[in-house]
Order: sequence, then C-alpha cells, then structure tokens
Amino acid sequence: AQKITQTQPGMFVQEKEAVTLDCTYDTSDPSYGLFWYKQPSSGEMIFLIYQGSYDQQNATEGRYSLNFQKARKSANLVISASQLGDSAMYFCAMSSRNRGANSKLTFGKGITLSVRP
Amino acid sequence: DAMVIQNPRYQVTQFGKPVTLSCSQTLNHNVMYWYQQKSSQAPKLLFHYYDKDFNNEADTPDNFQSRRPNTSFCFLDIRSPGLGDAAMYLCATSRDRIGEYNIQYFGAGTRLSVL
Repeated sequence: AQKITQTQPGMFVQEKEAVTLDCTYDTSDPSYGLFWYKQPSSGEMIFLIYQGSYDQQNATEGRYSLNFQKARKSANLVISASQLGDSAMYFCAMSSRNRGANSKLTFGKGITLSVRP
Repeated sequence: DAMVIQNPRYQVTQFGKPVTLSCSQTLNHNVMYWYQQKSSQAPKLLFHYYDKDFNNEADTPDNFQSRRPNTSFCFLDIRSPGLGDAAMYLCATSRDRIGEYNIQYFGAGTRLSVL
C-alpha cells in the first residue's frame, strides 16, 4: 500500500522569501511518480511539478523545485521568491505502476501556505 | 488552451432531488476521473473511465453514477443527494491510466450544496 505523509501545520512565509513544504512517502513499488498540486481557495487543483522515481535530477518548473531524496523517501516542494498568489493548500501525491491495475493518485492531507506581504 | 471544464461552478440542490454535474475536456485524454473533496480533506476518487470502460471504487456509494457519452464529456449523477454529499466535486483527466508518469489535470470543480 502507498502512503503520503504531510505533517506540517499551517505554514507562513514572507513575500519574496523561499519556503519548503515537506512530503514523505511510503511504497513497495520500485517505480513511482511524485506530484505536487496547488489548490487555491477557489477550489481548482493545479498541477505544479512531477518527479519520477528513476529521474536522476530533481525536477524544476519555474519557481518550483522538488527536492527528491529517494533513500529518505522524501519529496519536498521548494517555492522560491514567494508571491501573495502562492497562498493556497498544497497536496503531495503519488502514483505507481500498480502491477497492471489502474494507476491511482494517493494524496497527502495537504499543507496550507500563507504568504505575508 | 486545452483544458478541463466543469459546469456549473456552484450547484444548489434539494435533499433527495437528482442532480447532474458535467465535465468536458479538450485534451483528448483517454481517462476521466471524478473525485469528491470535503472541506480540509484530500480528494477521494469515486470512479473513472478509461475510454468507455467504467471503473468504480469499492467504497463509492450506489447513489453516485457516471456517464461518458463520448471522449470529451463525462457526467456525475447523484440520484438522491443527502446532506453528507455536500462537497466539492473535481473532474480530472489523464492520457492513460497505467503508469507512474501519469499526470492528472483537474478542472476548477463544482461546489455542491444540499438544502
């Protein structure tokens, strides 16, 4: 069974500073994908970044980077130069090649990020 | 831009009155998903379609049904909404259903209220 753990309480960051959102995972599958989604108060779930378990380099996408530490089973999201519009709920999720069955996303509970002006 | 569109954004229905939520996509993806998300919780998968192949999650209540008349459209039918069905309903699509590289793209959601 797969599990995603996001245990940080609500996070606060000053505008223009960097922030790290933690995510740890557990799986017995040798091949898996890790995702981060952003959900503002409007409700839309916005895909941010993806990391494959066999990718050698950490994924980056604009101001977002994924700090992937496979041995520690962690996939932390780093947001550089925070903006007020980054205030939202952030979900870490995982999918895997589930022995031929349907690939499903397993979500963490989410972390609320608030950016202060 | 290619996208996933959900209508309406807000839906109010009465207890027990059937309601239908709609989702369309211009990504030409094979898979469409429906999630239920309650306040401050992670999304919960209800079911998905791979092309015309319907896949129900084991714990999805019978009250929830879905239709996919073509590649672009998918509907969520709630036959007799209860107060506990008030939630955000999210539609998502992905190119395929198998594999760790499968990115799901979500619509803006429909927020359902049951009076």
